[in-house]
Amino acid sequence: KAGVTQTPRYLIKTRGQQVTLSCSPISGHRSVSWYQQTPGQGLQFLFEYFSETQRNKGNFPGRFSGRQFSNSRSEMNVSTLELGDSALYLCASSYNPWAPTDTQYFGPGTRLTVL
Amino acid sequence: AQKVTQAQTEISVVEKEDVTLDCVYETRDTTYYLFWYKQPPSGELVFLIRRNSFDEQNEISGRYSWNFQKSTSSFNFTITASQVVDSAVYFCALSGNTDKLIFGTGTRLQVFP
Repeated sequence: KAGVTQTPRYLIKTRGQQVTLSCSPISGHRSVSWYQQTPGQGLQFLFEYFSETQRNKGNFPGRFSGRQFSNSRSEMNVSTLELGDSALYLCASSYNPWAPTDTQYFGPGTRLTVL
Repeated sequence: AQKVTQAQTEISVVEKEDVTLDCVYETRDTTYYLFWYKQPPSGELVFLIRRNSFDEQNEISGRYSWNFQKSTSSFNFTITASQVVDSAVYFCALSGNTDKLIFGTGTRLQVFP
């Protein structure tokens, strides 16, 4: 089975721009979660989607948004980019939608640099 | 509030040494799940193990072993006979009744030949 894929792998943007990152989960997985990893804050949960609905949300400003499509693919969007948004953005998918917690499998990440 | 503490920022060992990575967690949930992930330089988080709060059995998988102790809220990870390929950052994580993972700050392990 193919793993979680994320595109693009690298991205350079300037302050004020917006960006969209894409994530394709493992086939059959219906839950997709997004995390931000920075040297200063570590790994932080952004949000989780299941069946096209946001099920959980982390403590990030409204500039960070996401969505999930009917095929479980997910996108996250960051508007009005700030220098502090430079990070590795990791997507994870999990299979069992009925369990409260299932093992999450991560993609390779998208490294976003904001200049 | 949930919290995961990995007090060891960086560990350096020579190949074939055994090494233990510490993880201490805090949670008020009675049901919770603990995980270990490995992050090699490529950046992808690789799942290693998941343990639920009702299962305190230690686990061994090849050179890897995990010691879960609820009494001390710890979930430590031991690599026996370390190898250069074990060099990576290792994260301990906790979740309650949602898919939101709370990660520790990670321990960078360097294994020298």
